[in-house]
Amino acid sequence: QVQLVQSGAEVKKPGASVKVSCKASGYTFTSYYMHWVRQAPGQGLEWMGIINPSGGSTSYAQKFQGRVTMTRDTSTSTVYMELSSLRSEDTAVYYCARALGSLYGDPPHYWGQGTLVTVSS
Amino acid sequence: SYELTQPPSVSVSPGQTARITCSGDALPKKYAYWYQQKSGQAPVLVIYEDSKRPSGIPERFSGSSSGTMATLTISGAQVEDEADYYCYSTDSSGNHRGVFGGGTKLTVL
Repeated sequence: QVQLVQSGAEVKKPGASVKVSCKASGYTFTSYYMHWVRQAPGQGLEWMGIINPSGGSTSYAQKFQGRVTMTRDTSTSTVYMELSSLRSEDTAVYYCARALGSLYGDPPHYWGQGTLVTVSS
Repeated sequence: SYELTQPPSVSVSPGQTARITCSGDALPKKYAYWYQQKSGQAPVLVIYEDSKRPSGIPERFSGSSSGTMATLTISGAQVEDEADYYCYSTDSSGNHRGVFGGGTKLTVL
């Protein structure tokens, strides 16, 4: 069965960076795109970007361009999301989510448990 | 940037039909997807490619799309359907950038 296990909660100061990991199992890692989605407390879902674990290509939401970097390690079936220049508005639960199918436009379907990132001075 | 617009809230009595809409300029060319999210849980996909239902999703959930509007319909809504619902799609830029609607709180009581 598909499993996505994310790294633990983080507390960061404004201006710092955070790197969240997402280890995949139960399927062929390089065959499915991985999305990153975040949700601020009491707010809606926000799509951040997508990575192709096969070649490493990425596409980011315009809002996060220049501040987010998504990478992968095929040897450990793990994807990473790094967000820099953190501000209080970045406090949120960050999810990785495997795509429904193998096509680039396929939506998130299998979700990790979420990682709470708190930005506070 | 591309936006999907949903009503903030919808309220129905148990057994009634709930309809949640999602509007976006690219929906005539792009599929709509629908997610259910209950408090403290990760989202669950309930409709994909406008109108298809993943395995395990009850038949009372259905979807449709016409022009710039997609609709999620819950026929005979039950108390356990009370949740936040989000539509999702991609923009028409060719980069497949995703976007979620703002979410709709469905109240069943």
